[in-house]
Amino acid sequence: KNEVEQSPQNLTAQEGEFITINCSYSVGISALHWLQQHPGGGIVSLFMLSSGKKKHGRLIATINIQEKHSSLHITASHPRDSAVYICAVPSNFGNEKLTFGTGTRLTIIP
Amino acid sequence: NAGVTQTPKFRILKIGQSMTLQCTQDMNHNYMYWYRQDPGMGLKLIYYSVGAGITDKGEVPNGYNVSRSTTEDFPLRLELAAPSQTSVYFCASSYSQGGNTIYFGEGSWLTVV
Repeated sequence: KNEVEQSPQNLTAQEGEFITINCSYSVGISALHWLQQHPGGGIVSLFMLSSGKKKHGRLIATINIQEKHSSLHITASHPRDSAVYICAVPSNFGNEKLTFGTGTRLTIIP
Repeated sequence: NAGVTQTPKFRILKIGQSMTLQCTQDMNHNYMYWYRQDPGMGLKLIYYSVGAGITDKGEVPNGYNVSRSTTEDFPLRLELAAPSQTSVYFCASSYSQGGNTIYFGEGSWLTVV
């Protein structure tokens, strides 16, 4: 079964800083998911990627399949980016069941 | 599209009571999931379904039951509620397996006292 580790667990930064959140997994995968959970509890999908890099606004996700590692970057961070960011991977290659990381709690201070 | 809708948002149950968490999606997704989220822990899969009439256990199925009579609906039944079932529950859906975007409901906060 895939094991997922995220780092850091908590991150506090000043508005405008460049943010990096890391995710490592143990078993080869078909795709990796980055999710955002807002303080109110709702979870939204940010990215799903299987190779290379994806960009959406100020958010960039990268994945290195060989290293079994993914990063989520936020440029020009803003207080509204404060949330828990969760990485998820299939439990086994091609499996429909996901294994979730415990999340990185990001706080952006104005 | 409303996406994934789950109800109720908040509920307090007494030990031994039963209840059903409702989940509906309007995206014609085959795959539906129920997760629970405990403080400081990753989401844990309770049950999932790959289509109408097909359900299977996840990591933490004990104390729960599900059914999938239609593509749209995937209710989660708690029988004989216990304090260990105090958690936040999320319903989710996706078009197919792990390589597709997953959509979550807003969450249901359940407290068993």
